Amino acid sequence: KAGVTQTPRYLIKTRGQQVTLSCSPISGHRSVSWYQQTPGQGLQFLFEYFSETQRNKGNFPGRFSGRQFSNSRSEMNVSTLELGDSALYLCASSFRTGGSGELFFGEGSRLTVL
Amino acid sequence: KQEVTQIPAALSVPEGENLVLNCSFTDSAIYNLQWFRQDPGKGLTSLLLIQSSQREQTSGRLNASLDKSSGRSTLYIAASQPGDSATYLCAVNTGNQFYFGTGTSLTVIP
Repeated sequence: KAGVTQTPRYLIKTRGQQVTLSCSPISGHRSVSWYQQTPGQGLQFLFEYFSETQRNKGNFPGRFSGRQFSNSRSEMNVSTLELGDSALYLCASSFRTGGSGELFFGEGSRLTVL
Repeated sequence: KQEVTQIPAALSVPEGENLVLNCSFTDSAIYNLQWFRQDPGKGLTSLLLIQSSQREQTSGRLNASLDKSSGRSTLYIAASQPGDSATYLCAVNTGNQFYFGTGTSLTVIP
């Protein structure tokens, strides 16, 4: 059974640009959540999607957005990139929503903003 | 808001030693708790999931316990090996989202 797949694995952008990251969950999982991981702040919750609906949102500015498609694949977008957005972005899938199920993570997308 | 703390932040032990990692949380109204390991630059690998109604879970050399009333969980690693070197994170599930600790960086010295 394939795991959670995130693309791209690495990317470099400059300030002011935007970026889109993709996440394909484990087959049969309908919940996808996104996290930002930095050395200073640890893992911080961005948002969760279940059945194409955003179910929960963390405390991030509106520059961070996401969506989920009918096949449960999810994308997150960051607009007007800032240096502080450099981080490892992790996607996790779960069979159930609201974090009630076990989380399975992808390898992450490492974003560097110059 | 749920706050999750992991102590110590770093731990170094000789190979073969048994060890305990600690996780504490501020709100005992949790749905479940999950332990992960993370290798440098990689994603998180799920180790154990303990439901709120359970007291412990075991997988191989790993045993996780949960005491909701005191807001604590421990991860016990038996007969540690160099391959166990990684960062271990606990995550507490409130039913709406998971809250993560900042992790314990474990080094097992051959």
